[in-house]
Amino acid sequence: QVQLQESGPGLVKPSETLSLTCTVSGGFFTTYYWNWIRQPPGKGLEWIGYIYYSGSTSYNPSLKSRVTISLDTSKNQFSLKLNSVTAADTAVYYCARSGSVGTTDYWGQGALVTVSS
Amino acid sequence: SYELTQPLSVSVALGQTARITCGGNNIGSKNVHWYQQKPGQAPVLVIYRDTNRPSGIPERLSGSNSGNTATLTISRAQAGDEADYYCQVWDSSTGVFGGGTKLTVL
Repeated sequence: QVQLQESGPGLVKPSETLSLTCTVSGGFFTTYYWNWIRQPPGKGLEWIGYIYYSGSTSYNPSLKSRVTISLDTSKNQFSLKLNSVTAADTAVYYCARSGSVGTTDYWGQGALVTVSS
Repeated sequence: SYELTQPLSVSVALGQTARITCGGNNIGSKNVHWYQQKPGQAPVLVIYRDTNRPSGIPERLSGSNSGNTATLTISRAQAGDEADYYCQVWDSSTGVFGGGTKLTVL
C-alpha cells in the first residue's frame, strides 16, 4: 500500500521560505507524477505543481515565480519550496501521486503551515 | 487559464439522487476526476476519467461528461455521503480544481 507523509515546519515567518518534504513508502517513483496541492482554511483545493519521476516539472502559473519542486529518489522523497510567503499562503499542504492518465490516487494526510510573525 | 465552475452547495433528501455539476469550456474533451473530502481528511478519489470508479467506491456514485458540463451523480444518498466534492482536470500539464460543492444530506 502506497503511503505519503508530509513533514516540515508548521510556522513560517512572512517573506521567508516555506519548505516541506513528502516521504513515499510502499511504491516506486517511476512513471508517476508527484504533486503538491494546498487548501487554505475553509477554502477549496489549489494545485501547486508536480515533478515527474524523470525530473521534469510543471507549476501553477499563479505561483510559478515562487515555487520549486525537487525529487530525491534515493530517499523516496520529493520537496516543495515556496519563497516570499505571506499570510495568504497559510494552508494545509498535501502531497499526492498522479498516474499517467491524471488520476490522483494517493494523498498524504496534509500538513498545516501557518505564515505569521 | 482554464476554469471549472461548481455550485457552492447541493442538498438532497436521504435516499434520493444528488447531482453535482462541473462546468468548463468544452470539458467534454477532457478527462474529469472527482474527489470527496470529509472534514479534517484528505480528499479521496471517487470517479476518474469521467465515469470510472476506483475499487471500494460504491456503484451509487457515477459520473458523466459531455459538452460543457461534467456531472457527479449520487444515487440513494446516505448520511455518509455528506462531504465536499471537487472536480479536477488537467489542462496543458496544469492541474485545475473546481471550487468545490458542499453536499448536504437532509
